[in-house]
Amino acid sequence: GESVGLHLPTLSVQEGDNSIINCAYSNSASDYFIWYKQESGKGPQFIIDIRSNMDKRQGQRVTVLLNKTVKHLSLQIAATQPGDSAVYFCAENTGTASKLTFGTGTRLQVTL
Amino acid sequence: EPEVTQTPSHQVTQMGQEVILRCVPISNHLYFYWYRQILGQKVEFLVSFYNNEISEKSEIFDDQFSVERPDGSNFTLKIRSTKLEDSAMYFCASSTSGGGNEQFFGPGTRLTVL
Repeated sequence: GESVGLHLPTLSVQEGDNSIINCAYSNSASDYFIWYKQESGKGPQFIIDIRSNMDKRQGQRVTVLLNKTVKHLSLQIAATQPGDSAVYFCAENTGTASKLTFGTGTRLQVTL
Repeated sequence: EPEVTQTPSHQVTQMGQEVILRCVPISNHLYFYWYRQILGQKVEFLVSFYNNEISEKSEIFDDQFSVERPDGSNFTLKIRSTKLEDSAMYFCASSTSGGGNEQFFGPGTRLTVL
């Protein structure tokens, strides 16, 4: 069936380095993608989103890249900080369907 | 900043008992959702609700589950006869419109079925 998945379950980076978290999706009809951050014991927190008519979108210290040819999504975090330590999920949505389909998550560990 | 709230933060129940999880979505939002997350796993969609009716539901959302918007502010998830495998974090979310828009998540209710 259609699914969204992540390549790396855990990513460890040093404070100040850039982080790249990857996500593969299989539903070619998906047209909206979101990255969420989830800290321990909390709900998913919106980071950034992108629509399928774009291939790049930038926020504050974060950039999302979308490659529709290979159905790949990535989240780049610049100058990673200890507060960035969390699990990151990509999620996708298709057309007018209301549900978000989440990937399995990547744990980002920031070392000092 | 407006936020989604959920109560209780933790619910412990015996297998076979009914539980009601409560949510207050963001006030001007029109679409409401329930998701669950079994420990260590990904977030899974349960149901979406718009205009006082279910707009979409997953295979998980069987006859044991129901949702209701009993008044202008609350949105509830009822599990009629809980099973051990219902133990999970349950997240409520809301959005201003349907597909292709950010969903704002609450802090979750941890349900433990003994």
